[in-house]
Amino acid sequence: DIQMTQSPPSLSVSVRDRVTITCRASQSIRSYLNWYQQKPGKAPTLLIYAASRMQSGVPSRFSGSGSGTDFTLTISSLQPEDFATYYCQQSYIAPLTFGGGTRVEIK
Amino acid sequence: QVQLQQWGAGLLKPSETLSLTCAVYGGSLTGYYWTWIRQPPGKGLEWIAEINHVPSTNYNPSLGSRVTISVDTSKNQFSLKLSSVTAADTAVYFCARGPVPAGRGISWFDPWGQGTLVTVSS
Repeated sequence: DIQMTQSPPSLSVSVRDRVTITCRASQSIRSYLNWYQQKPGKAPTLLIYAASRMQSGVPSRFSGSGSGTDFTLTISSLQPEDFATYYCQQSYIAPLTFGGGTRVEIK
Repeated sequence: QVQLQQWGAGLLKPSETLSLTCAVYGGSLTGYYWTWIRQPPGKGLEWIAEINHVPSTNYNPSLGSRVTISVDTSKNQFSLKLSSVTAADTAVYFCARGPVPAGRGISWFDPWGQGTLVTVSS
């Protein structure tokens, strides 16, 4: 199975901060990488697919980049509603696998 | 807009069979892959299985032969059964939609069901 490693596991930030979360795959997954946001008690929601394509309705402050094994999710100016846990997920090879998550907390 | 609504028993004893169903509203089962994903309390996400309308299925080998996914096109629903459950199967189970089979192209999960907490305890 492809292992997905996210860093950091958590970070404390302030509103309007720039946030960068990284995701590393154990082998090349080309651009087959998605990002999800999950708030407590809710299902994840899709933010970014195919590494850099923004899902409809997602604010433009979210962006994704990377290919191969290294990927990044960036929030350009964190808003109060962005405090959540973020997961990456590879869709290159079955079984599909997720990263361990990055919890974004209020400083 | 497609919405998924799921239901099933929330409390099981060890060795019993987990059974969950997900109904698809506002769209057809045809043309997509329908997936189950689980999340143990406080932990990350695990892909379980997927099915389309044919049905064609794919399973996560980590769960072995305990998992069965099925589809009922007449009701626009799909279901998950997990046999011989243990405490390790305690998790929130989600249903979700994907555009292509796992590992066969760019794909993602959207939308998701609301989640069902299944607790296994004696």
